[in-house]
Amino acid sequence: DAGVIQSPRHEVTEMGQEVTLRCKPISGHNSLFWYRQTMMRGLELLIYFNNNVPIDDSGMPEDRFSAKMPNASFSTLKIQPSEPRDSAVYFCASQGNGIQYFGAGTRLSVL
Amino acid sequence: AQSVTQPDIHITVSEGASLELRCNYSYGATPYLFWYVQSPGQGLQLLLKYFSGDTLVQGIKGFEAEFKRSQSSFNLRKPSVHWSDAAEYFCAVGSSGSARQLTFGSGTQLTVLP
Repeated sequence: DAGVIQSPRHEVTEMGQEVTLRCKPISGHNSLFWYRQTMMRGLELLIYFNNNVPIDDSGMPEDRFSAKMPNASFSTLKIQPSEPRDSAVYFCASQGNGIQYFGAGTRLSVL
Repeated sequence: AQSVTQPDIHITVSEGASLELRCNYSYGATPYLFWYVQSPGQGLQLLLKYFSGDTLVQGIKGFEAEFKRSQSSFNLRKPSVHWSDAAEYFCAVGSSGSARQLTFGSGTQLTVLP
């Protein structure tokens, strides 16, 4: 298995633009998690899905953030409009047998 | 609410020396405990986990950790550190349930001197 695949690896955009981050979980995994990592706040859980259904989105910072999981093999995290304070590394993880496996992350820079 | 404390922000050791990274957790029930490692520009890789049973668990790359319920600790150890072990290490506690939410500590940055 190729592991959790995230795209793009790097994204540079201007303030106000829409940003979409993508994640392909490991096949057979039923849960998917989105995290944000910054120097100031460390690793924060944004939202997670179980069987494609959003379970807890209390970590989503504000309404500018949204996440979807239309099927078991794909999820997106969207920021609209983006702001400089959204600059961070965003990780996706999928869970199998109680263990979370992380993607390589998307480094987002909002100018 | 669950929480994890990694009291050491940065640790420096010489290559070949032993290593212990500290982790203390707070959780109301039997904890599910993890150690992950993150190299620069990479995602998190699982080193080892504790779910139940033997309190001394072995992981990849020669790492081990010991669960001590009385001290609410899950310290990571390695008898002889290699230069390639330089990275950031995260301890995490997981909730019960089918989708196991993880709460991470703030991480310990390990520097290895030649």
